[in-house]
Amino acid sequence: DTAVSQTPKYLVTQMGNDKSIKCEQNLGHDTMYWYKQDSKKFLKIMFSYNNKELIINETVPNRFSPKSPDKAHLNLHINSLELGDSAVYFCASSQNRLAQPQHFGDGTRLSIL
Amino acid sequence: AQSVTQLGSHVSVSEGALVLLRCNYSSSVPPYLFWYVQYPNQGLQLLLKYTSAATLVKGINDFEAEFKKSETSFHLTKPSAHMSDAAEYFCAVSVPSGYNKLIFGAGTRLAVHP
Repeated sequence: DTAVSQTPKYLVTQMGNDKSIKCEQNLGHDTMYWYKQDSKKFLKIMFSYNNKELIINETVPNRFSPKSPDKAHLNLHINSLELGDSAVYFCASSQNRLAQPQHFGDGTRLSIL
Repeated sequence: AQSVTQLGSHVSVSEGALVLLRCNYSSSVPPYLFWYVQYPNQGLQLLLKYTSAATLVKGINDFEAEFKKSETSFHLTKPSAHMSDAAEYFCAVSVPSGYNKLIFGAGTRLAVHP
């Protein structure tokens, strides 16, 4: 059983399109995260939700909108995709808002043409 | 503000040799420190963490790290490298607060040669 699973694994699309990435964790954790890893492998937090409540929002463009329908799911919708959005997006979870992310998904590689 | 510097973007060792990956941090308050490993095409896995208890921290796969406040360092070591250790390693820092926000270093790619 995969602890944190995200779909799709690869996403290739054109500039200006809207796309979504989905994430699910089966660990019973309260807190979920989205991280962005750029082409130089640099990792930066984007958002964090705790029990469906947004607790971290790292000045990400408002074209990015996270949604957490329940504490086991955290989705990321991106509007009007730009070339600079090309990256690997990782979902992660932690037991609670004070704990560090222990489990990351395998990533979604987003390529903008 | 917190930051992490990992010295050496690439480290190459022979199988059986000592692994040493360097991490220095900057924090205005006592930090929490972490090492994560990322295997190709996978997400990150937590190797070990320091959260103000023992300064020498042991993790999975015989890795360990020592918190040295005087040197603001948290270097990762392993006595004997295995081929399977080849991966990207990330050092990260956070501070105790109402939530856990990790600040990552740029990563060090470890190559292990036969």
